[in-house]
Amino acid sequence: EVQLVESGGGWVQPGRSLRLSCAASGFTLDDYTVHWVRQAPGKGLEWVAGINYNGGNFAYADSVKGRFTISRDDAKNSVYLQMSGLRAEDTALYYCVKDRAMITATYLESWGQGTSVTVSS
Amino acid sequence: IVLTQSPGTLSVSPGERVTLSCRASQTVSSRYLAWYQQKPGQSPRLLIYGASSRATGIPDRFAGSGSGTDFTLTISRLEPEDFAVYYCQQYGAASITFGPLTFGQGTRLEMK
Repeated sequence: EVQLVESGGGWVQPGRSLRLSCAASGFTLDDYTVHWVRQAPGKGLEWVAGINYNGGNFAYADSVKGRFTISRDDAKNSVYLQMSGLRAEDTALYYCVKDRAMITATYLESWGQGTSVTVSS
Repeated sequence: IVLTQSPGTLSVSPGERVTLSCRASQTVSSRYLAWYQQKPGQSPRLLIYGASSRATGIPDRFAGSGSGTDFTLTISRLEPEDFAVYYCQQYGAASITFGPLTFGQGTRLEMK
């Protein structure tokens, strides 16, 4: 069974950093593109960042570019989201999501349960 | 590409047929459009990809259609478990340039 388990969320003050982790099981992570998608309280879905199977292709939403970094460690079957310069508007539930594709970004087959990030003073 | 879903909220009864709309600001190449369902307190679930292909395990009362800039999700006979928020997502450009993926703002189906 495909499972994605996020961790690392919590409460953080504006301007600080946080690193989210996503541990995959039931499939080989380095065969797929993986994304982070967030959902602010009571709002819709917002794609944040994605990284392809070997890390050779990646992209970020304009709202996080220059502040967030996505990476992967295939030996640990994990993907990470390093978030710095956090702002109140980054407050959201962050989902780790497995893409159908390996090289590009397409549709989102499997979703984790999410980890909550709250940015507040 | 900006996706606009309508209506924002739809009040319907079980057994009814409903059609949800997703309109793109530019042509979505190769019908690269997906639909997701999100129930309260749950993660989204893939329903439809490639505009009309059902994901694994999705009942055939869910049907996607459309091309170009206009896409629809039709639920032929609403079941109680179908009351949820539905999102469309395009990946036409992302399939070439790797990002961004964009979502519509969602349509909420509520019980009348």
